[in-house]
Amino acid sequence: AQSVTQPDIHITVSEGASLELRCNYSYGATPYLFWYVQSPGQGLQLLLKYFSGDTLVQGIKGFEAEFKRSQSSFNLRKPSVHWSDAAEYFCAVGADTGTASKLTFGTGTRLQVTL
Amino acid sequence: ETGVTQSPTHLIKTRGQQVTLRCSSQSGHNTVSWYQQALGQGPQFIFQYYREEENGRGNFPPRFSGLQFPNYSSELNVNALELDDSALYLCASSFGQGAGWEQYFGPGTRLTVT
Repeated sequence: AQSVTQPDIHITVSEGASLELRCNYSYGATPYLFWYVQSPGQGLQLLLKYFSGDTLVQGIKGFEAEFKRSQSSFNLRKPSVHWSDAAEYFCAVGADTGTASKLTFGTGTRLQVTL
Repeated sequence: ETGVTQSPTHLIKTRGQQVTLRCSSQSGHNTVSWYQQALGQGPQFIFQYYREEENGRGNFPPRFSGLQFPNYSSELNVNALELDDSALYLCASSFGQGAGWEQYFGPGTRLTVT
């Protein structure tokens, strides 16, 4: 069965500083990998996804992520954080399970941005 | 284009009661998935509906059930509510049932069981 680990529960960065959120996954085949962001009281918004091909993927809001098969990682990065980036970030792996597909999420990393 | 909508926004129920949550999928989407997000946790897959049929379920008991209608909107029903059912319930729709299809999430329904 697939699983996702986000080792950092809470991260604080200064506005303008760079950001890296860690994600490790466990899945037997080539994974579908996603990063979602959730603002307080809101649903999930997709930031970016990896299916195949180029291991560095670009997303919305200036985010990017790099897939490293050897490390089973899919870390999210942003060169310069804005105060509006404060939110909860979830990494997820997508898998086809029989006739259905499901996303398996990590427990999330809460990002706080200081001014 | 209207996104995924859910109703109600908040709900308070008593242990043992039954609840129905509703989801309208995004235009053109034929697949709806439901997730439960407990406080401080990531969402957990409940089940998925494709063209009005349940085609997959996560580790949730049978008192969690659902429906999908011809217009692809969906309901989540929970019977015999327990305190641990308190959570944010998220609905997501997609163009297809495969894992490669992007799932678009609604804002969720916050259920509190007292």
